[in-house]
Amino acid sequence: AQTVTQSQPEMSVQEAETVTLSCTYDTSESDYYLFWYKQPPSRQMILVIRQEAYKQQNATENRFSVNFQKAAKSFSLKISDSQLGDAAMYFCAYRGSGNTPLVFGKGTRLSVIA
Amino acid sequence: KAGVTQTPRYLIKTRGQQVTLSCSPISGHRSVSWYQQTPGQGLQFLFEYFSETQRNKGNFPGRFSGRQFSNSRSEMNVSTLELGDSALYLCASSFDRYGFTEAFFGQGTRLTVV
Repeated sequence: AQTVTQSQPEMSVQEAETVTLSCTYDTSESDYYLFWYKQPPSRQMILVIRQEAYKQQNATENRFSVNFQKAAKSFSLKISDSQLGDAAMYFCAYRGSGNTPLVFGKGTRLSVIA
Repeated sequence: KAGVTQTPRYLIKTRGQQVTLSCSPISGHRSVSWYQQTPGQGLQFLFEYFSETQRNKGNFPGRFSGRQFSNSRSEMNVSTLELGDSALYLCASSFDRYGFTEAFFGQGTRLTVV
């Protein structure tokens, strides 16, 4: 079974600085999809960014970018110019190609210090 | 466009009772998935419905069941509630079931079993 590991339960970053959240996963599939979701205190999960495994180019969405290392099975999230509104739980998620459900990591709680 | 709506937002039940949670997906979305979120276990997949058929099921006891109606609205039911069923239950909808499709989450139902 696929597993997703987020080794940093908590992280903090100064406002306007850059922070990187780590995620590793275990799979025997070659084709799959990776996601980062944000869960603010309001509890609603919001998709931040996603990556298709067959694409070598790292995905970018404004201040959010990923470092996808397929051979290392690593999928880290970089947040640039951190803002107070970025404070939330961040979940890394994996989905295989066979219409399988999302598998989530345990999450990283990010605090942003003014 | 209205988002994913989950009702009720909060629920307190007594051990041994049963409970029904409701999820209205985004209009046009045919896939609905349910997740249980707890501090200890994180996000765990319960089941997924697509066009009224259960397509995937997680590793939960038979006390957890669900269904989807012809308008794609979904309900999940938990019978004979246990203290350990206290959790945030999240529903996610998506247009289809394919891997890269974005899942949109509701704000969840917070269930407390006393």
